[in-house]
Amino acid sequence: KAGVTQTPRYLIKTRGQQVTLSCSPISGHRSVSWYQQTPGQGLQFLFEYFSETQRNKGNFPGRFSGRQFSNSRSEMNVSTLELGDSALYLCASSVTGAEQPQHFGDGTRLSIL
Amino acid sequence: AQSVSQHNHHVILSEAASLELGCNYSYGGTVNLFWYVQYPGQHLQLLLKYFSGDPLVKGIKGFEAEFIKSKFSFNLRKPSVQWSDTAEYFCAVNRRYSGGGADGLTFGKGTHLIIQP
Repeated sequence: KAGVTQTPRYLIKTRGQQVTLSCSPISGHRSVSWYQQTPGQGLQFLFEYFSETQRNKGNFPGRFSGRQFSNSRSEMNVSTLELGDSALYLCASSVTGAEQPQHFGDGTRLSIL
Repeated sequence: AQSVSQHNHHVILSEAASLELGCNYSYGGTVNLFWYVQYPGQHLQLLLKYFSGDPLVKGIKGFEAEFIKSKFSFNLRKPSVQWSDTAEYFCAVNRRYSGGGADGLTFGKGTHLIIQP
């Protein structure tokens, strides 16, 4: 069974640009969560999608948004990039939600110049 | 807002030593508790979890954790560590909703464990 797949693995952007990251969950998993990992703040929850609806949201500005498609694949978008957005962005999936153990992908490393 | 504290950021042990990593959380409601591990070059993976029932839970690779509700703690233990246990260990908590489901995971800052052969 394939694991959680995140693309691209690495991205370099400049301040002010926007970026879209993609996540394909494990087959049969309908919940997708996104996390940001930085050396200073550690792992922080961004949002969770289930059946194409945002079900939970962390404490991030509105520049961070996401969506989920009917096949459970999810995208995360960050607009007007800031230097502080440089981070590893992790996607995790589970069958029905965060009440279950989540399976993590390898992440997308985003660097802002 | 809930928070998770891991007491040790870096731990160095010799093989066969016993391990205990501390984890405390701040939320007083019903929670799910997890330990995740990240081996060098690999993604985060679940080590063990506690939802309800027996507060002593066993996970993979000989790890176990004890949930002590009165202390808001979920410490990870292993009686005898191996070199292959070298990794980053994360404690995580989420709040369980009364109607089912839970919110996103709140992670501790992680403990970098190095096992010397």
